[in-house]
Amino acid sequence: QQQVKQSPQSLIVQKGGISIINCAYENTAFDYFPWYQQFPGKGPALLIAIRPDVSEKKEGRFTISFNKSAKQFSLHIMDSQPGDSATYFCAAGGFQKLVFGTGTRLLVSP
Amino acid sequence: DAGVIQSPRHEVTEMGQEVTLRCKPISGHDYLFWYRQTMMRGLELLIYFNNNVPIDDSGMPEDRFSAKMPNASFSTLKIQPSEPRDSAVYFCASSPDRGRETQYFGPGTRLLVL
Repeated sequence: QQQVKQSPQSLIVQKGGISIINCAYENTAFDYFPWYQQFPGKGPALLIAIRPDVSEKKEGRFTISFNKSAKQFSLHIMDSQPGDSATYFCAAGGFQKLVFGTGTRLLVSP
Repeated sequence: DAGVIQSPRHEVTEMGQEVTLRCKPISGHDYLFWYRQTMMRGLELLIYFNNNVPIDDSGMPEDRFSAKMPNASFSTLKIQPSEPRDSAVYFCASSPDRGRETQYFGPGTRLLVL
């Protein structure tokens, strides 16, 4: 019940395209859903987050879509750029801690 | 603020040796987390502290691993004895109130056990 399943494991998108990463959770007690971005040799850093009282949150080119009934949420990166090439982790927040997905390695080709 | 500070950044050691990883959290943050990252298992939570007290160590792999937080500005993760399968990147993260909110990660320590 504590797992967060993330897909795909890796993704290649052309510059200007849309990148979509999906996550699913089981524990309905989760009430905070962040996405972290990690560049090689660096620690993960918060990118965007959503709470279950809204179905979508947008910050610039990054959008989280949240489906509470399906217990799924996704990250959309519009107009993907080579600088977006990184590993992305979804997470779900329960009591005092986050449970992370396994990560998606995104490569945006020029 | 300098962010979360970890040392060393890289560590190479031989099997059986003791390894100590260090972390200085962001000042004022009440929560401190230790994670391990590998290709196979992704990002795993090992242990976390709240106000210097260990709250959940269920992710610690085995008795060879131990963590301490003697004060609000310092924590250690110790592996004794180390084994090749401990090779990974170890991250420390800190968070203000309610550890499930934004966590600020350090740059990590890349550990290689030969």
